[in-house]
Amino acid sequence: QKEVEQNSGPLSVPEGAIASLNCTYSDRGSQSFFWYRQYSGKSPELIMFIYSNGDKEDGRFTAQLNKASQYVSLLIRDSQPSDSATYLCAVKAGAQKLVFGQGTRLTINP
Amino acid sequence: DAEITQSPRHKITETGRQVTLACHQTWNHNNMFWYRQDLGHGLRLIHYSYGVHDTNKGEVSDGYSVSRSNTEDLPLTLESAASSQTSVYFCASSELGTGGLNEQFFGPGTRLTVL
Repeated sequence: QKEVEQNSGPLSVPEGAIASLNCTYSDRGSQSFFWYRQYSGKSPELIMFIYSNGDKEDGRFTAQLNKASQYVSLLIRDSQPSDSATYLCAVKAGAQKLVFGQGTRLTINP
Repeated sequence: DAEITQSPRHKITETGRQVTLACHQTWNHNNMFWYRQDLGHGLRLIHYSYGVHDTNKGEVSDGYSVSRSNTEDLPLTLESAASSQTSVYFCASSELGTGGLNEQFFGPGTRLTVL
């Protein structure tokens, strides 16, 4: 079993709807979780991080963490075509390394 | 502004040749990482360093080596390039910040093709 798993998609969402991206992880001791966005041909950039169970909101983005079920999700409200990208879930492993999922490709349809 | 750069941005080489990919950061970060990205695999860690003269193997280190002689640079060497090493390579750096945030900043990537 991979340490961090995501549905590779593609996930297609109409403009203005909520996009929901999910990620599960295998290490029950994991404490820190990150969502990176990667546009085609570009490098990943951090958009959200979460440490505590529950929800964390930042503008149109909400990260949700459930440590008991070992999943973390990212919700994008009022999806825009500019949100079309690959979203990478990452889990902190060891001192300062990250383990990444394979990424979910999201397409927002106008 | 601080940044992280990679060179070359594109490289085509032949099987068996030695190739070195450069990574330079001006963040003054202690931590530096090399990843490869292939379709369906996300980012996989090749090697990483937590400081000068420190290097560690990641999950896909076979056929690669790194050395860290200063804070700014972590070059990645493919000792004898193989077609399986055709990939996009990303360098990243980080520093443990306030509240434990460990954000990694990524370079623009190097697209390597091994023929």
